Amino acid sequence: LAKTTQPPSMEAYEGQEVNVSCSHTNIATSEYIYWYRQVPHQGPQFIIQGYKDYVVNEVASLFISADRKLSTLSLPWVSLRDAAVYYCIVTGGSALGRLHFGAGTQLIVIP
Amino acid sequence: EAAVTQSPRNKVAVTGGKVTLSCNQTNNHNNMYWYRQDTGHGLRLIHYSYGAGSTEKGDIPDGYKASRPSQENFSLILELATPSQTSVYFCASGDRGQGDERLFFGHGTKLSVL
Repeated sequence: LAKTTQPPSMEAYEGQEVNVSCSHTNIATSEYIYWYRQVPHQGPQFIIQGYKDYVVNEVASLFISADRKLSTLSLPWVSLRDAAVYYCIVTGGSALGRLHFGAGTQLIVIP
Repeated sequence: EAAVTQSPRNKVAVTGGKVTLSCNQTNNHNNMYWYRQDTGHGLRLIHYSYGAGSTEKGDIPDGYKASRPSQENFSLILELATPSQTSVYFCASGDRGQGDERLFFGHGTKLSVL
């Protein structure tokens, strides 16, 4: 499983766009990139996934560098309810469905 | 919306006692997982299952057993609970498929072992 590195915390004001980066320098060709978020007293919630280039859904967008070693989760117009821990996970192939969660990035939203 | 339900939501147990945490999913997913979450450790995989009757060890299986009697149900069993097993436990379900390793999590069970 490829290891991921994220900043431990970030701050943003309400209404700002937030970009959370994730480094996965040892990502394998069989692996995909997933982002989850977790608010207190709840389980993690899937946000978005991608393999290469750019992916967008109703919640967020995901940019993946050409060499796939870096990905950036973009949250447009953050609100207080976006305050959470964001996890970047890389998995696939021989991982057999196991996801390894690291420490994540704590997003602090300032009113 | 995929649904994973854990019970109980909160549990207080005594050291040496037996604890069973239950998980039910209505997603018809093949795979189910048990994690624990402690401050400073993120989520750690305890046991997982590929289907009814199967259980596999995760990264921290010591002191835990798992049971998957049906597609829908996956239990985590602490035969002899210890204070070090005080934690928040999350169950998840998902379907293994290349490019789709999404997991759906329950709300968690807070276990305190005194």
